[in-house]
Amino acid sequence: GESVGLHLPTLSVQEGDNSIINCAYSNSASDYFIWYKQESGKGPQFIIDIRSNMDKRQGQRVTVLLNKTVKHLSLQIAATQPGDSAVYFCAETRKAAGNKLTFGGGTRVLVKP
Amino acid sequence: SAVISQKPSRDICQRGTSLTIQCQVDSQVTMMFWYRQQPGQSLTLIATANQGSEATYESGFVIDKFPISRPNLTFSTLTVSNMSPEDSSIYLCSVEYFFLLDRTDTQYFGPGTRLTVL
Repeated sequence: GESVGLHLPTLSVQEGDNSIINCAYSNSASDYFIWYKQESGKGPQFIIDIRSNMDKRQGQRVTVLLNKTVKHLSLQIAATQPGDSAVYFCAETRKAAGNKLTFGGGTRVLVKP
Repeated sequence: SAVISQKPSRDICQRGTSLTIQCQVDSQVTMMFWYRQQPGQSLTLIATANQGSEATYESGFVIDKFPISRPNLTFSTLTVSNMSPEDSSIYLCSVEYFFLLDRTDTQYFGPGTRLTVL
C-alpha cells in the first residue's frame, strides 16, 4: 500500500480499548467540522461531522466533541478494532467560504491485537 | 453517498511530460474539488472545479500548471503539466453531496491517483 502518514504522530491502542484522537483548529470562524479516515492506498473516508452549534455528536462507535472556546476537536472510537487502523484527519470549513476544507496534520492509529 | 472513481489509479511519468487525471461521479453534483497529498502529509486544496466556468485556484496553485476542466455535473479532469519529481503526490478529487433527509452536505473523496515522477 501507499506510505500515507509515515511522519505523522502515532497513537497505539490495544484492541478493545477506546481511542481518543485530538485536533486543534485555527479559524474561529469555522462552522463545520469533519473527521475522515484514510486507509493505506485509499482516499479519505467520511466518518462523522459536527456543526458549530453543537458540542457533541455520536455515531456508530464514534463520538465527536467540539470545544469552540479552545478551538479543539476530538474523535473518540469505542472498542477499537483492527479495522480501525488508519490515518485520521480532521477538517474544518466555513460555509460562507464556499465549503473549502482545511485539513489538520493527521494522526496514525495502530491497533495492537 | 456518491460513488466517485478516478483514472488512472496510479502512474509513473517522466519529467517534463503531462498527465491528465479523470474524476467521475455517479450523480450530478454542483461542487467538485481537487486536492494534493504529498508523501506522508495531509491534504491541500488545489482548486474548486466549477461547472461552466473557470476553476478557482488556491494560493500557490496556477492554471498553467494544473489546468482543470468541468464539462458537466458528473465529470472533471485535472492535468499536471510539465511534471517534475516534486509533483509526485496523491491527487484526489472530492464532491460535495447534499443529503435531503437531514439537509446536510459534506465532501466525499475519490480513491486518489498516485503519481510518481522520475
